[in-house]
Amino acid sequence: GAVVSQHPSWVICKSGTSVKIECRSLDFQATTMFWYRQFPKQSLMLMATSNEGSKATYEQGVEKDKFLINHASLTLSTLTVTSAHPEDSSFYICSARDYSGLGGETQYFGPGTRLLVL
Amino acid sequence: QKEVEQDPGPLSVPEGAIVSLNCTYSNSAFQYFMWYRQYSRKGPELLMYTYSSGNKEDGRFTAQVDKSSKYISLFIRDSQPSDSATYLCAMTSSGGNKLVFGAGTILRVKS
Repeated sequence: GAVVSQHPSWVICKSGTSVKIECRSLDFQATTMFWYRQFPKQSLMLMATSNEGSKATYEQGVEKDKFLINHASLTLSTLTVTSAHPEDSSFYICSARDYSGLGGETQYFGPGTRLLVL
Repeated sequence: QKEVEQDPGPLSVPEGAIVSLNCTYSNSAFQYFMWYRQYSRKGPELLMYTYSSGNKEDGRFTAQVDKSSKYISLFIRDSQPSDSATYLCAMTSSGGNKLVFGAGTILRVKS
């Protein structure tokens, strides 16, 4: 149980295009999902907290117009990187909080999406 | 000072060794503690979740929490080459707050 999927697993795009990443909780409902960014050999950096049916809460320094987050259902959140540039190239990982399982404070992570902007 | 301190390693051990991974923290409000394993180019995988002080065992893994010392540990018995990965500690206070991660420790188990 507590499986989170992400799609696509990797994407290469041209500078200036927009890229959408999907995050799904497969066997539980997630009212709260999180989006992280991870650079090589570094820990995870929280970008935003996504709550179903409401606006996302962005961490300081994260441009909300650049990284659009939509959490339209209890099992799906999307991250859209708008007008992507090479500096946006990174590993993006989502997670979901499962309140029905071990405890409401733990998060289950997706497999990640590797974005390369040329 | 970071809220959570974790030695990044790398930690290199022979196969079969007992591995000890540790984190210290400064925020006494942290109540929930987790250990994640992350293989290269993959998302973190939840290994252990603990709430109270004391030990919790799951197979070859034992998580230990000492709230009085603000210190948590993960022990891996009979380590295997497949255990080679980065181990992240994470913690949070109650009320649905965000997780705070350690830097991650790179573990290498040599056969």
